[in-house]
Amino acid sequence: QQQVKQSPQSLIVQKGGISIINCAYENTAFDYFPWYQQFPGKGPALLIAIRPDVSEKKEGRFTISFNKSAKQFSLHIMDSQPGDSATYFCAARGPEGGATNKLIFGTGTLLAVQP
Amino acid sequence: GAGVSQSPSNKVTEKGKDVELRCDPISGHTALYWYRQSLGQGLEFLIYFQGNSAPDKSGLPSDRFSAERTGGSVSTLTIQRTQQEDSAVYLCASSLDGLTYREQFFGPGTRLTVL
Repeated sequence: QQQVKQSPQSLIVQKGGISIINCAYENTAFDYFPWYQQFPGKGPALLIAIRPDVSEKKEGRFTISFNKSAKQFSLHIMDSQPGDSATYFCAARGPEGGATNKLIFGTGTLLAVQP
Repeated sequence: GAGVSQSPSNKVTEKGKDVELRCDPISGHTALYWYRQSLGQGLEFLIYFQGNSAPDKSGLPSDRFSAERTGGSVSTLTIQRTQQEDSAVYLCASSLDGLTYREQFFGPGTRLTVL
């Protein structure tokens, strides 16, 4: 009920290509779905986030697609660049009745964008 | 513009020893979180502090783990009688408050190695 499943574990994309990372969740009470980007030796940083009342959110080259009925959401990176090479984590806010803001994270995707 | 800072950046200890990890959140942030990132795993929630409210300790894996937050600012995560399975990167995050959609800002983490 509390899991967020992420795939693929690793991804290699050519420069200029589209990177797609998928996540699935089980608990329909989740109400906030952020994506974090993490570079080696650094903490994760918020990249983009979506709420379940919209099906898509776009910020620059990054787009979240959200399918509420399928309980799935995905990150699309358009025109992928070598600087996008990092580990990406999807997450969902736990349904704790507003008492906490803890996030439940997927296991991460290591993206390598080849020049 | 100080972000979340953590110390030490690396800690090597022997099995059975106690360790203390420190987190300095962003000034003015009332919510503070600890997560653990094990090799090949996502981030695992440990504990959450929000203002003067009782902390959410639901993620602490055993009674060897404890945390405190003094004066609503600095937090210390203590692991007693460390075990090899405690080896991980411990990440601290803070947010302005505990509202649902507040961005969590992560520190660089403390890499703990238990020999």
